[in-house]
Amino acid sequence: DVKVTQSSRYLVKRTGEKVFLECVQDMDHENMFWYRQDPGLGLRLIYFSYDVKMKEKGDIPEGYSVSREKKERFSLILESASTNQTSMYLCASSFGVRGEQYFGPGTRLTVT
Amino acid sequence: QQPVQSPQAVILREGEDAVINCSSSKALYSVHWYRQKHGEAPVFLMILLKGGEQKGHDKISASFNEKKQQSSLYLTASQLSYSGTYFCGTEKGDNYGQNFVFGPGTRLSVLP
Repeated sequence: DVKVTQSSRYLVKRTGEKVFLECVQDMDHENMFWYRQDPGLGLRLIYFSYDVKMKEKGDIPEGYSVSREKKERFSLILESASTNQTSMYLCASSFGVRGEQYFGPGTRLTVT
Repeated sequence: QQPVQSPQAVILREGEDAVINCSSSKALYSVHWYRQKHGEAPVFLMILLKGGEQKGHDKISASFNEKKQQSSLYLTASQLSYSGTYFCGTEKGDNYGQNFVFGPGTRLSVLP
């Protein structure tokens, strides 16, 4: 079974803090994704990585950066958290460009 | 750029059928369907490619009309386990990471 794990299920941070969200997959997938999910807006792509050290911006990259130093790990970084970044963050991985995406359980981030 | 899903929400009795539509203003290369149960991660249902045939998964099937730039998900004889939010994801075909977009979702409730 493919497993995608995320470092925290719930996280509370203060405005201005630097926040790291980590995602690890165990199936040797090339592609990894970070989404944020907000009610009524569905899943919006923040960043996408198709290989180690390679990344592409998604629809809403502003205020976020990513790091992929190892194939299995994809990190999402909020350089200076703001209240409008309070959301559910979902990581996913896939094999092949159009492969089935496997999602992690999500991290509910609250920025106060 | 986000595809439009209709209806936004639907309530069914067990055994009834439902259709969920996904349409885009852009020409599409592929359409993906996912289901997310409350409190869980989205799970892949199927992918439909340009030029491909209608697909099925148990009593859930889907079609892709490239000319109309739309896809429909058909749920036949719905079961309680079908409850959840259904998302379509659309891809325009070039530069996958920047052109794969999820719709806002359709919430399906199946009542006994």
